[in-house]
Amino acid sequence: EIVLTQSPGTLSLSPGERATLSCRASQPVISAYLGWYQQRPGQAPRLLIYGASSRAAGIPDRFSGGGSGTDFTLTISRLEPEDFAVYYCQQDGTFGQGTKVEIK
Amino acid sequence: EVQLVESGGGLVQPGGSLTLSCAASGFTFSSYAMRWVRQAPGKGLECVAGISASGGTTDYTDSVEGRFTISRDTSKTTLYLQMNSLRAEDTAVYYCAKHISFFAVDGMDVWGQGTTVTVSS
Repeated sequence: EIVLTQSPGTLSLSPGERATLSCRASQPVISAYLGWYQQRPGQAPRLLIYGASSRAAGIPDRFSGGGSGTDFTLTISRLEPEDFAVYYCQQDGTFGQGTKVEIK
Repeated sequence: EVQLVESGGGLVQPGGSLTLSCAASGFTFSSYAMRWVRQAPGKGLECVAGISASGGTTDYTDSVEGRFTISRDTSKTTLYLQMNSLRAEDTAVYYCAKHISFFAVDGMDVWGQGTTVTVSS
C-alpha cells in the first residue's frame, strides 16, 4: 500500500508570497493518478490539480503542480487571502495527511 | 448544474447499521467512477470505498472491508454506502465524490456537501 507523506505540516506565509508544498510517495506512483485538493474550513474538498500537473476547471493559474516518480509539488505563485487552507495530495485510494497554509 | 447530494447520516449506536445515499445530477452518472471519502473530527481525508462506472470493480480501505458495501443504481443516478457493525471510529463527515474518469483511480472533481455519521451510545 502506498503511503503519501506531505511536508511541511504547516506553512506560515504572508499574502503575495510563494508557497511550495511537497508530497512524497513511499514507492513510485503513476503521475496520471496524482491529485491535489484544497479544503477550506467547513467546506468540502476542491480538486485543484489532476494528473500531477493539469489544472482542474476554474482553478486560477497561480496554482501549478509538478513532479514524477515519488516526489510531487504543488506551487501557489502568489498567495491570495482565499488560499489559506489545508491542502491534500491523493493517489488512487490514498490521501496524504495534509499541509495547512496559514497566514503569518 | 453538476451536483451531488448526500443523505442518510445520523446518530447510531455501536454495532448498528446505516445506509448513506448520494443523489447525482447534471452529468452522465453511468460514465464515471464514484467514491466515498470521510473526515473524522479535526482529522484529514480518508478514502472509504470506490466503485467503477460500471459497478464491476469496488475497493475498500482495510478498516471497513467486510463491514461496508458500496453500490450504485444507474436508473436512480444514486450512489450508496451500506454500513454495518459501526464503531466509534467510524464517526465522521462522509462525502461522496465523482472521479474524472471510468475507473476510481484518478482525481475527484465533484464533491457533495457531506453527511455526518456519529457512532455513540
